[in-house]
Amino acid sequence: QVQLVQSGAEVKKPGASVKVSCKASGYTFISYGISWVRQAPGQGLEWMGWISAYNGNSNYAQNLQGRVTMTTDTSTSTAYMELRSLRSDDTAVYYCARAVAYYQFDYWGQGTLVTVSS
Amino acid sequence: EIVLTQSPATLSLSPGERATLSCRASQSVSRYLAWYQQKPGQAPRLLIYDASNRATGIPARFSGSGSGTDFTLTISSLEPEDFAVYYCQQRTNLRLSFGGGTKVEIK
Repeated sequence: QVQLVQSGAEVKKPGASVKVSCKASGYTFISYGISWVRQAPGQGLEWMGWISAYNGNSNYAQNLQGRVTMTTDTSTSTAYMELRSLRSDDTAVYYCARAVAYYQFDYWGQGTLVTVSS
Repeated sequence: EIVLTQSPATLSLSPGERATLSCRASQSVSRYLAWYQQKPGQAPRLLIYDASNRATGIPARFSGSGSGTDFTLTISSLEPEDFAVYYCQQRTNLRLSFGGGTKVEIK
């Protein structure tokens, strides 16, 4: 069965970086893209970006350009999302999701809570 | 950037009633519109894609309609497990965005 398993919760100080992993299993990793979505406490969903697991092409949300980098490691079927220069409003649960036809997110990871606090 | 506006923000209904949720786009998204359900403490679940196609395993009581800028998610008869938050999502020019959500709560 398809599974996306994310790394554990993180606590970071403002200005630091965080790297969240998302290990895929149960399907051919390079046949789909991976998107990252975050959700601040009590708030809605925010799309962060997408990466092709096939060739590494990526697209990022405009408001995160320059601070976010998404990568994949096909040898371990793992996707990564790194966010730099963290601010308090980056505190959120971060989800990875398998992307069909770019925007249909049919399987999701369990979420990773990233807390940014001094 | 395309803005999706969902209404109402909260819908108070009883089990067995019909729920009608609206999603309006600030410009045409053709039929590139999806709907997700999210329960507290859980990841979202894909319900509908391409405006009207049910995702795998989604019950027939969920249906989607619309195109261009106006879309509707209908739950024909609410089951206890349907009380949750619903989000619409669009794809245009490789930029995605979500609506603010509609909470369907028990009346």
